[in-house]
Order: sequence, then C-alpha cells, then structure tokens
Amino acid sequence: GAVVSQHPSWVICKSGTSVKIECRSLDFQATTMFWYRQFPKQSLMLMATSNEGSKATYEQGVEKDKFLINHASLTLSTLTVTSAHPEDSSFYICSAHRIFGNGTRLTVT
Amino acid sequence: GQQLNQSPQSMFIQEGEDVSMNCTSSSIFNTWLWYKQDPGEGPVLLIALYKAGELTSNGRLTAQFGITRKDSFLNISASIPSDVGIYFCAGLPRGYNTDKLIFGTGTRLQVFP
Repeated sequence: GAVVSQHPSWVICKSGTSVKIECRSLDFQATTMFWYRQFPKQSLMLMATSNEGSKATYEQGVEKDKFLINHASLTLSTLTVTSAHPEDSSFYICSAHRIFGNGTRLTVT
Repeated sequence: GQQLNQSPQSMFIQEGEDVSMNCTSSSIFNTWLWYKQDPGEGPVLLIALYKAGELTSNGRLTAQFGITRKDSFLNISASIPSDVGIYFCAGLPRGYNTDKLIFGTGTRLQVFP
C-alpha cells in the first residue's frame, strides 16, 4: 500500500539552530502534503498545507518564518524549524492522501 | 484550530470486552475517518466513511457515519491487548475538497489481560 516516509525519526538540537524534517510519499505523488504538530497527550494540530510548486498555507498562529516549508517535488516536502527553542520541542507528523508518516520527535535543548 | 469532540477521553477495560467511542461536531461533515496511534508513531487509518448512515467494518472494528452528519461512532468488539493506543476521529467539513483533516481530541484505550 501507499506509504509516507518521514526522516529523521528523532532529532536533538541546540537552541538557536535549525532542523530540517523530510516527508516523502513512496509509490505515489502528492501535490499537497500536510504538516501537523502534536504535544504530549494531545491531538494533532494542523500547522500548514504544503503545496507543490507554490507557497505553503499556514494555519492561524503558526509563524511562517519560523516553520519553513518547501514542496519542491511531487514526492517530497520539507519542514525546517528555524532558530529552534525548547518550546518547539514536539512531535511533528506529515501526511499525504490521508496517510501519515511515522513522525519526528524534536527535542531542543 | 478547530477540533472535534471525542468521548470518552480514556477507557480502561478488560480483555474481551467491547468498546464504544464517539465523535461529534457542531457542523456537518462530508467524510469521517478513524485512526489509531501507537506511542511514538504516526496515526494509522482504520476506517473511512463517506455517506450519512454508512456502517463499515474492518475486522473487529465497526464505524458508523451519523445520520445527522455531525457525528460518528467506532466500536471495537472482543478487545485484545494490541488494541491499546489512542483512537482519533478525523473529518472533512462540508465544502472542503482537500485532505485538510480536522482531528478529534482522542480516546486513550487501555486493555488489561
């Protein structure tokens, strides 16, 4: 079946650095992908819609300059957390065609 | 952001028991989906519903699209230890034509042997 692959599975970074998370659709193409954030014991909250070949659409309250999204091909979207701070520590999950990746656990120290 | 109300918030049951959970919205939805999430992993799609009144099964799981189109239900029969996890409903409101899902608050299921 269709699979969405996310990389890395977990990452630890120092405060002030940037981290890039990749989301790939395997065996299918996706003009639209979605990025979610999930805090412990909470539900998934949509951060942004990644659009192939055009700008991402961000949900209210999500800083577009902090969470940079690039959807350069029909199978790859990337989320870059810039100048990360401890409060950005969370579980980030992408989806395409209602299929979710395995998530990336980001810890900012 | 908008969320769907899901209940119960958590359930502690004994192996073999049946489980019921539901999801409600204040607005009409065109699609209802049920996902299961294991710790440290992404949600996995269990059942998708597309029509009011639709009843769909996937093994021991059965889900229904409410007649009012504002709710959905998930039942798990004869629970087993591997049913442990968090169950999320998700949906697409009327008028949405993308996969921009709105998620429920989740039901945490614990099964004791």
